[in-house]
Amino acid sequence: NAGVTQTPKFRVLKTGQSMTLLCAQDMNHEYMYWYRQDPGMGLRLIHYSVGEGTTAKGEVPDGYNVSRLKKQNFLLGLESAAPSQTSVYFCAQPGPVYEQYFGPGTRLTVT
Amino acid sequence: KQEVTQIPAALSVPEGENLVLNCSFTDSAIYNLQWFRQDPGKGLTSLLLIQSSQREQTSGRLNASLDKSSGRSTLYIAASQPGDSATYLCAVQGGSEKLVFGKGTKLTVNP
Repeated sequence: NAGVTQTPKFRVLKTGQSMTLLCAQDMNHEYMYWYRQDPGMGLRLIHYSVGEGTTAKGEVPDGYNVSRLKKQNFLLGLESAAPSQTSVYFCAQPGPVYEQYFGPGTRLTVT
Repeated sequence: KQEVTQIPAALSVPEGENLVLNCSFTDSAIYNLQWFRQDPGKGLTSLLLIQSSQREQTSGRLNASLDKSSGRSTLYIAASQPGDSATYLCAVQGGSEKLVFGKGTKLTVNP
């Protein structure tokens, strides 16, 4: 996975709780991405960052916030979790020839 | 808005058969196209990247083609094996290196 790590691997939340997912890279790349994967929907882009201190909205940004305070880390936050946010979350970064490498994923269940 | 479609959604073949997976996209203004493999409960593994100026890429028993003008790509798998069973995802890359994914083709290769 070209040095893309995600924590935690699994999490169960109750509706209304908050949490932060951490993505870390070791390739010093400017771009990082957060996707969610749902059955029948494929992978969809939530937010992305084109450099330290920058973030931008993707296709499905509502209910999430992100921060890129350090180049190596990209945080995805859920302020008030909802059952609709039950999903598998993947972080990604580009490789040397524009291919994208994905982390192992975080399985989140909101009850 | 870019849309990516993969046909068929599922495919079951006997071992040894050659097969083709199809991917189509609506906006031909892409930088590249990437094929991924995903095993159940796992992350995404990059298989092949075709840059917009290229027509095909090969890796072992896999060959991916790209016809940007018609918005189509195919992934050819030669001499399929049970270990090839997985979901195959096609994704096109546009501005800011963001990926737009198809919903995948679930391949089962029967011994």
